Amino acid sequence: QSALTQPASVSGSPGQSITISCTGTSSDVGSYNLVSWYQQHPGKAPKLMIYEGSKRPSGVSNRFSGSRSGNTASLTISGLQAEDEADYYCCSYAGSSTYVFGTGTKVTVL
Amino acid sequence: QLQLRESGPGLVKPSETLSLTCTVSGGSISSSSYYWGWIRQPPGKGLEWIGSIYYSGITYYNPSLKSRVTISVDTSKNQFSLNLSSVTAADTAVYYCARLGVTSPGDAFDIWGQGTMVTVSS
Repeated sequence: QSALTQPASVSGSPGQSITISCTGTSSDVGSYNLVSWYQQHPGKAPKLMIYEGSKRPSGVSNRFSGSRSGNTASLTISGLQAEDEADYYCCSYAGSSTYVFGTGTKVTVL
Repeated sequence: QLQLRESGPGLVKPSETLSLTCTVSGGSISSSSYYWGWIRQPPGKGLEWIGSIYYSGITYYNPSLKSRVTISVDTSKNQFSLNLSSVTAADTAVYYCARLGVTSPGDAFDIWGQGTMVTVSS
C-alpha cells in the first residue's frame, strides 16, 4: 500500500484556476470512486473538501471541485483566493476497508 | 455539534507502547453511520492512515502497522483508543482521531480532532 502521488507544489495568482493531481493504481483510485480531498492550514487539523470523488460537504465553497480519470484523481480550485493557500491531501479507499493518503501538495497563492 | 479530542502522553520512550484516547462529545460513538479512525502526521510530512474501528469493535489496520497496532472502543465512555507498540523515533508524529463516514460522506474523514503531538525519545 504505497502513498498516492501528488505534485509537491502548485501555485497560481488570485482569480486563476489550479489543478492538483493524485495518482494511484488500479487497486485504489482506479477501482473506486471514493477519493476524498483535505485542506490543511499550518498547525491545524485537515478539513474535508471533497468526498466520493466530486461531492462537496455542506459549507465548502463551490470553487472546489473534484474529478477522476483512470488511476488519477484531480482537485480543481477556481477563482483562487489568498485563503486557499494551504497543503492539500488526497485519500483513496484501497479495498478491504483500508485507506491510503497522498503525498500532499503545497498550494501557494502568488 | 460533534467534537473529537485526543488525549495521552506527549512523550514515549523507545520500545514502549504509545497509548492515546479519543473522546467523542456532542454525539454517540454507537452510530451505525460511522467508523472512527486514527491518522498520524510526522513533523513536516504527510498524513498516514493508521486504522479504523466500528462501534461493535470491528477493526481495520494499515498493513504496514498491523503487527504493532491495536484500536479499541468503549461505548460506555464514548471513547476509542489507539495502542502502538515497540515505538521508535519514526513514530514521532501528530496523531489525529477522526470520524469516518460509511455512507454520507462515503469513505471520508469528515470530522477531526485537533491532534496531539507524540514524541518518541529517551
